[in-house]
Amino acid sequence: SQQGEEDPQALSIQEGENATMNCSYKTSINNLQWYRQNSGRGLVHLILIRSNEREKHSGRLRVTLDTSKKSSSLLITASRAADTASYFCATASEYGNKLVFGAGTILRVKS
Amino acid sequence: SQTIHQWPATLVQPVGSPLSLECTVEGTSNPNLYWYRQAAGRGLQLLFYSVGIGQISSEVPQNLSASRPQDRQFILSSKKLLLSDSGFYLCAWSVSLGRGYTYEQYFGPGTRLTVT
Repeated sequence: SQQGEEDPQALSIQEGENATMNCSYKTSINNLQWYRQNSGRGLVHLILIRSNEREKHSGRLRVTLDTSKKSSSLLITASRAADTASYFCATASEYGNKLVFGAGTILRVKS
Repeated sequence: SQTIHQWPATLVQPVGSPLSLECTVEGTSNPNLYWYRQAAGRGLQLLFYSVGIGQISSEVPQNLSASRPQDRQFILSSKKLLLSDSGFYLCAWSVSLGRGYTYEQYFGPGTRLTVT
């Protein structure tokens, strides 16, 4: 079963705008990760945020985590056409060696 | 550097035929290995994972099986394919530094399976 649920399911923006995707989950986590998938390809790891962290940056990416609300957001600033892809959040439980993925957000950046 | 290979890239198989998908990892030792399936427009469903040779955990009961005959080789098999087995199969690896923590995963290019 999927723990993470992304919102929105699809997002279409103009190049240069910011894109925000949200992820909600249900149980306690050890960390939360965001991945990107270009059409027909494997997933690429973007960023990992631990349960004791509230915000993390990587280039144009900013991830926040609110464990009290069991939610996370991924912000892509100054989007580019090349950012067009599906974005998934994945949660790692406090015990174990596996991730549970959400259904993803499809992002389309128009040039 | 580490690399992960999957083959074949695409596969069309008739219902009832056997299946064997292979995944190998280079440049790391004793990785955790994972098989996922992705239906069109959907998220990833974890099928199997392995923390060591011969150690397989099954997440979803189905007509698929997995084996890890070598440290960096992970194989997904079926004796008789069903139409519902169609999908995009992804293999992934992660470092294994102890129980209780899940690190980032690195994915292969995937295998597109169509069962006809």
